Amino acid sequence: DAKTTQPPSMDCAEGRAANLPCNHSTISGNEYVYWYRQIHSQGPQYIIHGLKNNETNEMASLIITEDRKSSTLILPHATLRDTAVYYCIVSGTGTASKLTFGTGTRLQVTL
Amino acid sequence: DGGITQSPKYLFRKEGQNVTLSCEQNLNHDAMYWYRQDPGQGLRLIYYSQIVNDFQKGDIAEGYSVSREKKESFPLTVTSAQKNPTAFYLCASSPLRGLAGGPRNEQFFGPGTRLTVL
Repeated sequence: DAKTTQPPSMDCAEGRAANLPCNHSTISGNEYVYWYRQIHSQGPQYIIHGLKNNETNEMASLIITEDRKSSTLILPHATLRDTAVYYCIVSGTGTASKLTFGTGTRLQVTL
Repeated sequence: DGGITQSPKYLFRKEGQNVTLSCEQNLNHDAMYWYRQDPGQGLRLIYYSQIVNDFQKGDIAEGYSVSREKKESFPLTVTSAQKNPTAFYLCASSPLRGLAGGPRNEQFFGPGTRLTVL
């Protein structure tokens, strides 16, 4: 599976959009981009995933560049509850594919 | 409510003792996973299972053992051979195939068990 690079930490004011970047320059054609987040001392929570088209759900939007070498997770109106570590993961299409969690981006939402 | 349960939330053991961590899911998922997380680090895969009575080693399987006798259950035993067992242990499950037959790597995690070996 391709490796990902994320900034170690980011801050965002409550009510503003949080844009979390991820680089995955070695991604291959059949690999998906997944985003999870982990609130302190809890299990990770799935947010969204995509292959090459932009995706949106009730939690977030995922923007993938045309060359698929990077992506951005957007939380449109961040709240204090969105403070967490956000993991960007690239994973293949095999059955029960393993997810490799790096150290992620620690997002701090402030008043 | 469907979900994954892990028990206990906190566990203390003496060095040299084996300990078994429980993981149960009622989501009817085929695949189950065990991860370990150390402070300030990401998750590392210990074992995973795609089907009953079958499981594969992950990246750090040494000192651990698992069983998958039932679809709903995937217990993890931390043996005395694990040199540094104190950590946060997370269990997850996922379906193997989506509605259109595509990949389903959306893993659903339990609340975790924090194991401390004294």
